[in-house]
Amino acid sequence: DTEVTQTPKHLVMGMTNKKSLKCEQHMGHRAMYWYKQKAKKPPELMFVYSYEKLSINESVPSRFSPECPNSSLLNLHLHALQPEDSALYLCASSQVQGARYNEQFFGPGTRLTVL
Amino acid sequence: QKEVEQNSGPLSVPEGAIASLNCTYSDRVSQSFFWYRQYSGKSPELIMSIYSNGDKEDGRFTAQLNKASQYVSLLIRDSQPSDSATYLCAVSGSARQLTFGSGTQLTVLP
Repeated sequence: DTEVTQTPKHLVMGMTNKKSLKCEQHMGHRAMYWYKQKAKKPPELMFVYSYEKLSINESVPSRFSPECPNSSLLNLHLHALQPEDSALYLCASSQVQGARYNEQFFGPGTRLTVL
Repeated sequence: QKEVEQNSGPLSVPEGAIASLNCTYSDRVSQSFFWYRQYSGKSPELIMSIYSNGDKEDGRFTAQLNKASQYVSLLIRDSQPSDSATYLCAVSGSARQLTFGSGTQLTVLP
């Protein structure tokens, strides 16, 4: 089973709102990722969790706050976002971070619109 | 200089033809190479992984890797309209994270 699930599928929020994106995988993977993708651009890495610990933060603004409650779950907490943060937010997972055969599997994404 | 470059397209081929997608990378220590297919409005789907020089075939898809030339390609045989999508080349290099190319948009014409 190579399924990564994400909720919600769509999210519209105002600049003063607080919301959370959720991601879940049941493949026993120990690395999980958040990416941001703008239209007609490739995915852009935001955060990497390895064995439930944050291992990479690609200089993401503090209005994005990741959390990994356990090995299957990954959250992205959003607060005081800007309209330019509107994008497709993708979660991915892989067996381990940095391994040679590091196949990453993506969830369906959350389409975020910030008004 | 971009780390992973793809022919930007768009690329159009007639149904039944071979579609050829190309990708070059700059990090010589790269060891893992992936092709993702992304339909409009959807998330990337892993379709091929290749780690050694040569060809790897999976159904209508063939990935080719030449580490000396720092070149990886994807051939799609007997192209179908359902293959119309953006194809992303991704490389895992010295940083052990995926670096994506900008993608090639493929249209298969009926």
